[in-house]
Amino acid sequence: NAGVTQTPKFQVLKTGQSMTLQCAQDMNHNSMYWYRQDPGMGLRLIYYSASEGTTDKGEVPNGYNVSRLNKREFSLRLESAAPSQTSVYFCASSEGQMRVYEQYFGPGTRLTVT
Amino acid sequence: AQSVAQPEDQVNVAEGNPLTVKCTYSVSGNPYLFWYVQYPNRGLQFLLKYITGDNLVKGSYGFEAEFNKSQTSFHLKKPSALVSDSALYFCAVRDLFRMDSSYKLIFGSGTRLLVRP
Repeated sequence: NAGVTQTPKFQVLKTGQSMTLQCAQDMNHNSMYWYRQDPGMGLRLIYYSASEGTTDKGEVPNGYNVSRLNKREFSLRLESAAPSQTSVYFCASSEGQMRVYEQYFGPGTRLTVT
Repeated sequence: AQSVAQPEDQVNVAEGNPLTVKCTYSVSGNPYLFWYVQYPNRGLQFLLKYITGDNLVKGSYGFEAEFNKSQTSFHLKKPSALVSDSALYFCAVRDLFRMDSSYKLIFGSGTRLLVRP
């Protein structure tokens, strides 16, 4: 099992450019999440998908969109990148929502917006 | 709203000594608490969780955590630190996000553990 995979690992964008971060999991998990990690702030939830076919905003959704393409894949799109979106982005998955499941994280995408 | 606090930005210990990484929480209702570890340039890895039952929870890599309801704490411990334990540690609490029973994790700001040889 590869677990949770993310592409790309690194990306540099100019302000205003768009891009999509890809995430896939092979654990047959129902729930998937996108977080951003900034120094001294822990991880903050951007969007999540409780189950296939549903997506919901997290704590910091502005400037982002998501697509739950199927049960395995959950992508995060930046339509018009801004320097404030420079961060490390993590995708995670868990079995579901109804019990206290732990989340499994991908290796992250380090994004710099200039 | 639920929250966790990690009062120490960094903890320094010598290899072989016991280590403690502190976490306090503020929740309404039953707390569901987690510890994760992040090695350099890697994603977070699950260490352990507290749901109910024994106040001492054992997890991966020889780590354990002590749940203390009266002190609202969930400190991470290890009896004998290794240099390879040097990493960033996050405490987290599960929070009801929406009334349809969707949950999210709220993370602390992280504590960097440095184990010196």
